[in-house]
Amino acid sequence: SYELTQPPSVSVSPGQTASITCSGDKLGDKYACWYQQKPGQSPVLVIYQDTKRPSGIPERFSGSNSGNTATLTISGTQAMDEADYYCQAWDSTTVVFGGGTKLTVL
Amino acid sequence: QVQLQESGPGLVKPSETLSLTCNVSGGSISSYHWSWIRQSPGKGLEWIGWIGDIYYSGSTNYNPSLKSRVTISVDTSKNQFSLKLRSVTAADTAVYYCARNVGLSQFDPWGQGTLVTVSS
Repeated sequence: SYELTQPPSVSVSPGQTASITCSGDKLGDKYACWYQQKPGQSPVLVIYQDTKRPSGIPERFSGSNSGNTATLTISGTQAMDEADYYCQAWDSTTVVFGGGTKLTVL
Repeated sequence: QVQLQESGPGLVKPSETLSLTCNVSGGSISSYHWSWIRQSPGKGLEWIGWIGDIYYSGSTNYNPSLKSRVTISVDTSKNQFSLKLRSVTAADTAVYYCARNVGLSQFDPWGQGTLVTVSS
């Protein structure tokens, strides 16, 4: 079965750039999405189709996807960005989520 | 805009069937695909299954690891879709989310989630 691998945790200082990776076999051939989940809340879509931002998502969130790796980049990270982040892709007719990355802003 | 709300029992006994409903407001259920996703306490997200829109004739697709126990269906008259998970065990204890699946790509929006505990 298809798998997506994320680092369990990433730390970043306020104002710096955070990068969260998501690895999977030939992931670049698929569309990757990213979700932000804060404690006690539902996931929120922050990036879809590799690079697109839904309305209402700040411009500091961006995405890329090439080869075997998709990357979520948060520029000028703010304290409010501290959350769990999940990547997601479709493998044929099934959906796969990465294991999630806890982003700590300190 | 489209809003989703899950409902159903918060406690289910082992070996019984978990049944949840997702009420869709702000849009026609026939126009989109829909999914159920769950999250065990302190764990990551697990996709349960998908039901297609009217152009997909309501076809379904399920996580292979759950396929033998899952049924997802749509009630267009009530603008709702439902999840049934049979023969549950403690491992099925989770927050269950419903979500709209846009273009067989992203999930947006999500419901607020409902915690289902499997216990006698």
